[in-house]
Amino acid sequence: EAQVTQNPRYLITVTGKKLTVTCSQNMNHEYMSWYRQDPGLGLRQIYYSMNVEVTDKGDVPEGYKVSRKEKRNFPLILESPSPNQTSLYFCASRDKRFAHEQYFGPGTRLTVT
Amino acid sequence: DQQVKQNSPSLSVQEGRISILNCDYTNSMFDYFLWYKKYPAEGPTFLISISSIKDKNEDGRFTVFLNKSAKHLSLHIVPSQPGDSAVYFCAASVGGTSYGKLTFGQGTILTVHP
Repeated sequence: EAQVTQNPRYLITVTGKKLTVTCSQNMNHEYMSWYRQDPGLGLRQIYYSMNVEVTDKGDVPEGYKVSRKEKRNFPLILESPSPNQTSLYFCASRDKRFAHEQYFGPGTRLTVT
Repeated sequence: DQQVKQNSPSLSVQEGRISILNCDYTNSMFDYFLWYKKYPAEGPTFLISISSIKDKNEDGRFTVFLNKSAKHLSLHIVPSQPGDSAVYFCAASVGGTSYGKLTFGQGTILTVHP
C-alpha cells in the first residue's frame, strides 16, 4: 500500500530536549515536505526537499532542521524545542511529474512544555 | 505576511445546495493553485487544481474558478453532501507544476447539514 508514515504520532516533551520526527514514503517520490498546522494559521511549510541531498526552506524554517540522505526518508529535527513549536506536523511526498498528487502522512501531534 | 488568505473561517450549507469557498492571494507570481480537503485526525487530501493559464477547472461536483486580475479563486461544490463536511485549504505555488514551495491559506470549515 502506497503511504507516508510518520513517527511518533503523539509526543509530549520538555523545552530544550532534542527530538526527531521521522517520515518515510514507499512511493519512490522525489519531493518531500514538512508542514505544521496551527489554529487560525492553516498549514505552513517548514522545509521541502526536491531530491536526495537537496533541501530548501519553506515559510517557517526557524528552529527546525531536516536532512535527506535517502530518497524514502525525510526526518524533521528540533534541536532545542520551545513551547511555540507545539503543533500538529505533517509530512508529505509527491512524484515530481504529478503536481497535484501530494500524499500526506497522518500527522504528529507535538506538545512542548 | 499571509500571501494566501481564506477570510471565511467557516461555512454552513444545506445538503443539495451549492457550497462556495473563497481564497485570495497577494503574490502575483503564483501560477499554480490547489485545493485540499482535510478530515479530523487525517492528513489533507488533494481535491482539485488549476494552472494560471486557465480560469476554470471541473472535476465532477467540484469546480475551481480563477480570477487572476482580482487575485481570487473559488471552489464550488454542487450539490453539497454531508460527507463534504471537512476543512478546506487553498494553496498556491510559483513555478507551475514543478513547485517545491507551497503556501496554504488558513482553511475554511465546511459543514453540510442533512
